[in-house]
Amino acid sequence: DGGITQSPKYLFRKEGQNVTLSCEQNLNHDAMYWYRQDPGQGLRLIYYSQIVNDFQKGDIAEGYSVSREKKESFPLTVTSAQKNPTAFYLCASSDRGEQYFGPGTRLTVT
Amino acid sequence: GENVEQHPSTLSVQEGDSAVIKCTYSDSASNYFPWYKQELGKGPQLIIDIRSNVGEKKDQRIAVTLNKTAKHFSLHITETQPEDSAVYFCAASAYNQGGKLIFGQGTELSVKP
Repeated sequence: DGGITQSPKYLFRKEGQNVTLSCEQNLNHDAMYWYRQDPGQGLRLIYYSQIVNDFQKGDIAEGYSVSREKKESFPLTVTSAQKNPTAFYLCASSDRGEQYFGPGTRLTVT
Repeated sequence: GENVEQHPSTLSVQEGDSAVIKCTYSDSASNYFPWYKQELGKGPQLIIDIRSNVGEKKDQRIAVTLNKTAKHFSLHITETQPEDSAVYFCAASAYNQGGKLIFGQGTELSVKP
């Protein structure tokens, strides 16, 4: 069963805590992406990685960090420096430009 | 930088009617234009895409058209069904941007039975 998995589906954290969101793909895609989606809004790019051990900032990277140690995995850490972390987070991977999305993680910080 | 504008933001149609969603892009280097359908609480699903070397592409009830000169592309859904109700996003990508997609703001389509 191929695809992109994100876990958990719902995540709750207290303000001031760092939290790491998981993204795994078994599609053998080189490129992976993290997006943030706020209610009624489009998708905004946080970070992306075109190859293992390399990644670039997207449009809203402040307060986030990533790593890409394995081709299959691209975890996102939401740090305490992110002022408005509550959002729906989407991971994607791509092949020849076609991006495929995971089911998302809804993060709530109180 | 690249900007993608999408209209309308909401669209309501009767079952069986057609629906059209339009997008414009700013970067003339854009050469890939996908459309996504997002149901509530789920990740976006790629439903159709078009590359800059063609003007139209069809897949059953959905079609996408591209006008490179005007920098417009549109999604057409015919014979709409209640299960077509969702938020639809257009996006654009340029060959020199490492596969990054720039998304429109989305259109909430409601198909009334």
